[in-house]
Amino acid sequence: QQQVKQSPQSLIVQKGGISIINCAYENTAFDYFPWYQQFPGKGPALLIAIRPDVSEKKEGRFTISFNKSAKQFSLHIMDSQPGDSATYFCAASTMDSSYKLIFGSGTRLLVRP
Amino acid sequence: EAGVTQFPSHSVIEKGQTVTLRCDPISGHDNLYWYRRVMGKEIKFLLHFVKESKQDESGMPNNRFLAERTGGTYSTLKVQPAELEDSGVYFCASSPRAGNTIYFGEGSWLTVV
Repeated sequence: QQQVKQSPQSLIVQKGGISIINCAYENTAFDYFPWYQQFPGKGPALLIAIRPDVSEKKEGRFTISFNKSAKQFSLHIMDSQPGDSATYFCAASTMDSSYKLIFGSGTRLLVRP
Repeated sequence: EAGVTQFPSHSVIEKGQTVTLRCDPISGHDNLYWYRRVMGKEIKFLLHFVKESKQDESGMPNNRFLAERTGGTYSTLKVQPAELEDSGVYFCASSPRAGNTIYFGEGSWLTVV
């Protein structure tokens, strides 16, 4: 049973466009929702994270939108750049097991020049 | 500051053999985690150490997997005997305290043939 469902599996965007990756979760006890970015040959690196007390968090070109009632959250990459090409993972965890991240299946993003 | 270091980066072994993966966490990080991503699946939590103590090993798939963290410094993950379905990438991660940002290593790619 996959607790965090991520889509799309792959995404191609032109430079300057908006990349949108969506995740849905089932466990209402989740209270921490990070996004990780992974480049080939590297480990996942924390990109941005949100807690359910806010509906949106923005850091530079990266924005997380959070919809608690729908149990969905998404990553928006504005003005996408070729250097953003990577695999993106959404994840979730609960307060009492904050270290135990439940990952989505990943989205391979390719930003074309 | 050195990040999480894993060794070996790649390993190819035959079914039934033993492999030991090593992880050196970021200096001063008491919390150490093992995750893995088998082919086509999402990244999954295996276990969590606080110093030398196993806090949560609920994600360990079976008793063919043994993790240790002697002295609370580096950790090893032994797979004995390895099976084909163990193929994938094994990530080690660390954090100063549970609930802090988790920093991942580059992973150890394991191929069992």
